Amino acid sequence: DIQMTQSPSSLSASVGDRVTITCRASQGISNYLAWFQQKPGKAPKSLIYDASSLQSGVPSKFSGSGSGTDFTLTISNLQPEDFATYYCQHYNGYPLTFGGGTKVEIK
Amino acid sequence: EVQLVESGGGLVQPGGSLRLSCAASGFTFSDHYMDWVRQAPGKGLEWVGRTRNKANSYTTEYAASVKGRFTISRDVSKKSLYLQMNSLRTEDTAVYYCARVYCTPIRCYASDSWGQGTLVTVSS
Repeated sequence: DIQMTQSPSSLSASVGDRVTITCRASQGISNYLAWFQQKPGKAPKSLIYDASSLQSGVPSKFSGSGSGTDFTLTISNLQPEDFATYYCQHYNGYPLTFGGGTKVEIK
Repeated sequence: EVQLVESGGGLVQPGGSLRLSCAASGFTFSDHYMDWVRQAPGKGLEWVGRTRNKANSYTTEYAASVKGRFTISRDVSKKSLYLQMNSLRTEDTAVYYCARVYCTPIRCYASDSWGQGTLVTVSS
């Protein structure tokens, strides 16, 4: 199975900051990588697919990059509604696996 | 607008069974893969399994943790997805989400729409 490792597991940031979250796959997954946002008590929301393509309706403040084993999610101009937990997921074969999550908290 | 609404969660004893449903609307149900994903209390997301689309004969895949105990199916006429869970264990306690995997005639992508989830509690 492909293991997905996210770092950091949590981070504190201020409104207006730019933050970067890293996701590393235990083996190459091409660009078959998605990012999700989840707020407490809510369902996940899809942000990015194919490592760098924004889902419809997702603001351009979110951006993804990477290929192979190393990927990043960058959030620009952090706003109160962006404070949440973010997960990566690979879909390069089965089983699909998620990273452990990165909680973005207000400093 | 894509809508997914799960139901069927509840309290069940270890060793028991439960069937979850996910009612889909706003899209051609047979065209897309569908996933079940769960989240244990205070934990991260775990992929449970998938049913492919009509073009791929609705075949299924499962996580090792549920294979042989859980079965995914769909009723296209009712636009509903199901998760039959047997031999339930305390570690199956989680919120269960259904999610659509967006597909075109060329390929399928990642999940793009999620239901609100339904809570399954396995306890004596």
